[in-house]
Amino acid sequence: DAKTTQPPSMDCAEGRAANLPCNHSTISGNEYVYWYRQIHSQGPQYIIHGLKNNETNEMASLIITEDRKSSTLILPHATLRDTAVYYCIVRPSLDSGGGADGLTFGKGTHLIIQP
Amino acid sequence: SQTIHQWPATLVQPVGSPLSLECTVEGTSNPNLYWYRQAAGRGLQLLFYSVGIGQISSEVPQNLSASRPQDRQFILSSKKLLLSDSGFYLCAVDSGGFSYNSPLHFGNGTRLTVT
Repeated sequence: DAKTTQPPSMDCAEGRAANLPCNHSTISGNEYVYWYRQIHSQGPQYIIHGLKNNETNEMASLIITEDRKSSTLILPHATLRDTAVYYCIVRPSLDSGGGADGLTFGKGTHLIIQP
Repeated sequence: SQTIHQWPATLVQPVGSPLSLECTVEGTSNPNLYWYRQAAGRGLQLLFYSVGIGQISSEVPQNLSASRPQDRQFILSSKKLLLSDSGFYLCAVDSGGFSYNSPLHFGNGTRLTVT
């Protein structure tokens, strides 16, 4: 499995854009980059995922570098409720031999939104 | 959209007692189902996954077992709990099949304390 590297913690001011980096230099060509977050005492929440192109949804934007070795999750206008641990995950490809496989979570980035 | 039901939300059990946690899913057919555990202060660990009725794959040898008696029902069990079984247990689901492009969605979890 491709591994990811994230800073252990980050601060961001409320109302500003939060940019969370992730390094995945050993990613394979058919592996997606997934982002999840976990607010204290809750289950992980899916945010966004992508393969090559940048992606945007109602929660965030995902910017993937052209060589796919790194990505950035952008929360455009951070609020206090965005304080959470954010996980960047490269999902193993599913193939006819392996069937399903789960997500491997690392330690993530603890994002703290400051008022 | 998928709905994941997990119960109970919290559970306190003595060492040596049995365990049965149930997860049911609505809004999807033939899903892949997963059990994760998060020990206090630690990351999420994949315990079991299932691609269909009666099919269980174990990721980590342990004191626990899983079963899938129906398409949208996933059960986590133990005959005799250990102190080390304490943790936050999460059920997750994706749409199944061999798609590369299927996010996992998590339930709200069961917080188990073994005393």
